[in-house]
Amino acid sequence: GVTQSPTHLIKTRGQQVTLRCSSQSGHNTVSWYQQALGQGPQFIFQYYREEENGRGNFPPRFSGLQFPNDSSELNVNALELDDSALYLCASSPGTGANGYTFGSGTRLTVV
Amino acid sequence: GIQVEQSPPDLILQEGANSTLRCNFSDSVNNLQWFHQNPWGQLINLFYIPSGTKQNGRLSATTVATERYSLLYISSSQTTDSGVYFCAVLNRDDKIIFGKGTRLHILP
Repeated sequence: GVTQSPTHLIKTRGQQVTLRCSSQSGHNTVSWYQQALGQGPQFIFQYYREEENGRGNFPPRFSGLQFPNDSSELNVNALELDDSALYLCASSPGTGANGYTFGSGTRLTVV
Repeated sequence: GIQVEQSPPDLILQEGANSTLRCNFSDSVNNLQWFHQNPWGQLINLFYIPSGTKQNGRLSATTVATERYSLLYISSSQTTDSGVYFCAVLNRDDKIIFGKGTRLHILP
């Protein structure tokens, strides 16, 4: 399946954070989502074969990478209190039309 | 962009009852998935259903793409069915858009 690390993280406002995701075997599309408490997940961005191929309404301080082994990172700079959320990673074979598999998420708390 | 609306937002039922969750979407979609989010945050895929009807045990789903809605049926509810159910559509750019979810509480 899709694995994410770490599971929980506490950071101070202004710091930077890197979250990691290992895609399901054979999946070359990975996407990231932010889920605030009580809300549905919001699309951050998506990578296909190491290139970003879509981005939601998030500022440039949210950035990402996809590696040749299809694993991925989400980086957030200059953390704000409102960045506290569950961050979910999902992977899919091909373009995503065959469905996505989600990881368990990383719960980030910014204090 | 495409809008995804789920209803009802909250649902409280007694164990053994049946329920129907609805998802309306505002534009044509390439795919639709139903997820159950457990208390630990994991999104469990229930159905991948761009059109038609599928069944898996006590759960079934129907999507009528031409009328832009999908229904998730849960029969003989159990306390373990509690949680948040999300409908998510794949828009024309193959990006997932989630609804706000239906929070289901099954009472013993």
